[in-house]
Amino acid sequence: ETGVTQTPRHLVMGMTNKKSLKCEQHLGHNAMYWYKQSAKKPLELMFVYSLEERVENNSVPSRFSPECPNSSHLFLHLHTLQPEDSALYLCASSQGYGRGSTEAFFGQGTRLTVV
Amino acid sequence: GQNIDQPTEMTATEGAIVQINCTYQTSGFNGLFWYQQHAGEAPTFLSYNVLDGLEEKGRFSSFLSRSKGYSYLLLKELQMKDSASYLCAVRDSNYQLIWGAGTKLIIKP
Repeated sequence: ETGVTQTPRHLVMGMTNKKSLKCEQHLGHNAMYWYKQSAKKPLELMFVYSLEERVENNSVPSRFSPECPNSSHLFLHLHTLQPEDSALYLCASSQGYGRGSTEAFFGQGTRLTVV
Repeated sequence: GQNIDQPTEMTATEGAIVQINCTYQTSGFNGLFWYQQHAGEAPTFLSYNVLDGLEEKGRFSSFLSRSKGYSYLLLKELQMKDSASYLCAVRDSNYQLIWGAGTKLIIKP
């Protein structure tokens, strides 16, 4: 496996369900990100982890809960979502965060549909 | 507020040249990125500009004018596989990435 891998690729869930998105990077990077991508809108940064510590949380609703157990893995736990949360969720990684960071490498995303 | 503007959609012909513009208003500037994203795929890094001028990489070139808050991505000898969305992103004074909504490029034979 190379690059950034996300699973599942597609997810349909009801508003009362609990599910988790998984991201794994094989690049040796030390920063990982969750982004939300909605049609015709800019990427929205949700969470950032640098050296396994959360450094940024951009006013994301508590129904989204991130977890970073180590520098290679990132999870996004989902519960009681709303239909407007339907979107493509992208994971990314970089070497360094902020001033010294390289360009971000993205996974293919999880297409989430909330019904 | 901070803002990145790019055209929503463009159409071009196979073999031709197309220029995708990006204008930005951000609090500070620490570099501009271009990414390519095919439908259903991961965004992939194309180019990075931090100084004024043109950066050439094969069929793709990226230009930056910091005084004008302007960049463009130039694609030459267009191929059908170049049909994708092109995302412009600026790193602001806090080194946060501000993203445009992307330009969907349609290549016709």
